Amino acid sequence: ELKVEQNPLFLSMQEGKNYTIYCNYSTTSDRLYWYRQDPGKSLESLFVLLSNGAVKQEGRLMASLDTKARLSTLHITAAVHDLSATYFCAVDFNTNFGNEKLTFGTGTRLTIIP
Amino acid sequence: NAGVTQTPKFRVLKTGQSMTLLCAQDMNHEYMYWYRQDPGMGLRLIHYSVGEGTTAKGEVPDGYNVSRLKKQNFLLGLESAAPSQTSVYFCASSRLGRGDTQYFGPGTRLTVL
Repeated sequence: ELKVEQNPLFLSMQEGKNYTIYCNYSTTSDRLYWYRQDPGKSLESLFVLLSNGAVKQEGRLMASLDTKARLSTLHITAAVHDLSATYFCAVDFNTNFGNEKLTFGTGTRLTIIP
Repeated sequence: NAGVTQTPKFRVLKTGQSMTLLCAQDMNHEYMYWYRQDPGMGLRLIHYSVGEGTTAKGEVPDGYNVSRLKKQNFLLGLESAAPSQTSVYFCASSRLGRGDTQYFGPGTRLTVL
């Protein structure tokens, strides 16, 4: 079964602190995506990770991919209020019935407290 | 350049009614997708298309039909709406398939009474 699990599901953190969101997936893949969703809004692409060991950074966010461990992390450095949102990871599994299918995690709702 | 647009933004239906959701993209993308998002769950793929005139089933296709008569448009139809189809529907498009970023529309909030 194709499963993508994120933890934590909810996260409240103070401004200025660091934290990491984890994304585990159930079977082989070397393509993983991170998205951000603000309340009532659409999804915005953050990172596309396409190989083992890939690391990408944008501002206070850094994402990495370990395909051997089937794990991706989204690290937040010195959090600011603007980062409050729900973060989704999505995995592109190599399936028999088509290769255009993303499986999404349930999301991590991040709240940054002043 | 509007990106991906969806109409309508909100809709309330009674059980058994039908409707069509329209997705349009102006980025000349080949691939288009329909997802649904339910509370506490990630997005689930309903149907997708890899080019004009093509459609394929996703993870949760039952109760929905789609058409891609023009490259820029992807229509999602509900023939006989059920309360279980109450959800937020997102359309997305991408230039390529695997490994390419999907760009999402603003969503349609559908309530079936």
